[in-house]
Amino acid sequence: NAGVTQTPKFQVLKTGQSMTLQCAQDMNHEYMSWYRQDPGMGLRLIHYSVGAGITDQGEVPNGYNVSRSTTEDFPLRLLSAAPSQTSVYFCASSYTGDSGNTIYFGEGSWLTVV
Amino acid sequence: AQTVTQSQPEMSVQEAETVTLSCTYDTSESDYYLFWYKQPPSRQMILVIRQEAYKQQNATENRFSVNFQKAAKSFSLKISDSQLGDAAMYFCAYRPRLNTGTASKLTFGTGTRLQVTL
Repeated sequence: NAGVTQTPKFQVLKTGQSMTLQCAQDMNHEYMSWYRQDPGMGLRLIHYSVGAGITDQGEVPNGYNVSRSTTEDFPLRLLSAAPSQTSVYFCASSYTGDSGNTIYFGEGSWLTVV
Repeated sequence: AQTVTQSQPEMSVQEAETVTLSCTYDTSESDYYLFWYKQPPSRQMILVIRQEAYKQQNATENRFSVNFQKAAKSFSLKISDSQLGDAAMYFCAYRPRLNTGTASKLTFGTGTRLQVTL
């Protein structure tokens, strides 16, 4: 029972590099999302998806792209990394509707941009 | 827009004692969920307890209970018989029950760091 799997767990990038954080879930959840957590703050929503082929922006989307080609996968792309994107990133998934009162989080991906 | 406020950046409790963490929120919705998440140093997000706004009864999970005051928009977490393993960051979070589109997102408070001393 894998739940929500994020890779990599740790990554160091140079300014201007691009990379993709992977997120996969095996629970057939419609809803998937990406959050970032910065010191002294709670998690903030970057992008979300309510199903395959459907994505939308959250609270802090600038500098990130997402796609949802399958129900299981929701990768987060950093187009040109900046030091301000140094953060811990969490992927989450749930059902939509009334069943969506349980949100499952991945273990987080620690990203440092130098 | 919904907001969640945790006014206590840090709290301390002695082992075996009781501590209450505060959370207030602001929303125009009438039906929603409230959550407390625990985040230990590993950064894993662990669901502690969940409250449905349409339920008047306060949720309890073993040593953890909430005091949900819907009219006051208050949702505090009480930890009884505190243990060393309870030391962590605690986040209060809100989600509308009609969770489609942007309404699906969790809105988090800034967290309360709980220390447990011997």
